[in-house]
Amino acid sequence: DIQMTQSPSSLSASVGDRVTITCRASQSIANYLNWYQQKPGKAPKPLIYAASSLQSGVPSKFSGSGSGTDFTLTISSLQPEDFATYYCQQSFSTPLTFGGGTKVEIK
Amino acid sequence: QVQLVQSGAEVKKPGSSVKVSCKASGGTFSSYTISWVRQVPGQGLEWMGRIISLLGITNYTQKFQGRVTITADKSTTTAYMELRSLRSEDTAVYYCAAEGYNSPFDYWGQGTLVTVSS
Repeated sequence: DIQMTQSPSSLSASVGDRVTITCRASQSIANYLNWYQQKPGKAPKPLIYAASSLQSGVPSKFSGSGSGTDFTLTISSLQPEDFATYYCQQSFSTPLTFGGGTKVEIK
Repeated sequence: QVQLVQSGAEVKKPGSSVKVSCKASGGTFSSYTISWVRQVPGQGLEWMGRIISLLGITNYTQKFQGRVTITADKSTTTAYMELRSLRSEDTAVYYCAAEGYNSPFDYWGQGTLVTVSS
């Protein structure tokens, strides 16, 4: 199974900050990497697919990069609605696996 | 646009089974690949398995193999996830999610809380 490791597991940031979340795969997954945002009590929302492509309707303040084993999700200017938990997920092979999540909290 | 609507919350006894439904609308059901993802309270997301409706094929993770069955009824455009031999650790929110053009989880149901308690 491919293990996905996110860091940090949580972070505190202020409105307007630039935030970067890292995701590492235990083996190369090319660009088969997706990102999701989840708010409390809600289903996850797709943000980015194929490592760097924005899902429809997702604002351009979100961006993704990376290939192989190392990936990043960046929020260019954090807004109140961005405080949530973010998950990476690999779709290179089954079983499909998620990272442990990064909780973005208000400082 | 695919919409997924799941059945309501369940309370089950240890050792029993639960069957959660996921009704799909929009798109073509016979071409859907529907996954089930669970989230234990306060924890992360865990993929349980999927059904590739077009081929009638299912894949399950090793962890749930033998205890979970995912099915799809094309006549009612509804997918089901049955989990047997429930234990307290199975208390979780169970989500169905449909594959789209972009990712395996482009569309999500609202989630179904399953509580296992004696």
